[in-house]
Amino acid sequence: AQSVTQLGSHVSVSEGALVLLRCNYSSSVPPYLFWYVQYPNQGLQLLLKYTSAATLVKGINGFEAEFKKSETSFHLTKPSAHMSDAAEYFCAVRHFTGANSKLTFGKGITLSVRP
Amino acid sequence: GAGVSQSPSNKVTEKGKDVELRCDPISGHTALYWYRQRLGQGLEFLIYFQGNSAPDKSGLPSDRFSAERTGESVSTLTIQRTQQEDSAVYLCASSSVPSGRAGTGELFFGEGSRLTVL
Repeated sequence: AQSVTQLGSHVSVSEGALVLLRCNYSSSVPPYLFWYVQYPNQGLQLLLKYTSAATLVKGINGFEAEFKKSETSFHLTKPSAHMSDAAEYFCAVRHFTGANSKLTFGKGITLSVRP
Repeated sequence: GAGVSQSPSNKVTEKGKDVELRCDPISGHTALYWYRQRLGQGLEFLIYFQGNSAPDKSGLPSDRFSAERTGESVSTLTIQRTQQEDSAVYLCASSSVPSGRAGTGELFFGEGSRLTVL
């Protein structure tokens, strides 16, 4: 079964520091991978997605993620954190079983940004 | 509409009452999902509808939970005899992905229905 693991539940960085949020996946077939962000009291919105094209994927708000098959990872990074990046971040994998196509989410990581 | 619409945005109910939560997906989206998000927790998959296929109900936590979808339009999530542990935000999402790997599978989420069971 396909799944994603997000280690830790909370990451705190200083404003201007590197942001690194980890995601590892397990999948028996090449996966589609996604990062979603949830700002306080809002729904989820897509940050970026990997769909077997370029392994380095650029998303909105300066975020990017690199698909590494050898490490089964899809970590999310941003070179310089901004206060507005404080939110909940979810990694997700899409798997296809026959006619079904379900998205499975990790538990999420809360990002705090210190002034 | 332009996005996924959910109603009500907030619902407070008494333990033992039934509640209905509604989701209006983006027009033309064949796939519709329900997730539950308890306070401070991740997303818990509940149920998935894809076109005319049988829904994937594997995430429904008990037989008090049920969901229906009429064609490729509105879906209703029903919780019978609510319990305090049902308190959560219920998120609906839709996607245009067809069966198989042809689509990229981006989900578009509504803002959720916050359920509080007293």
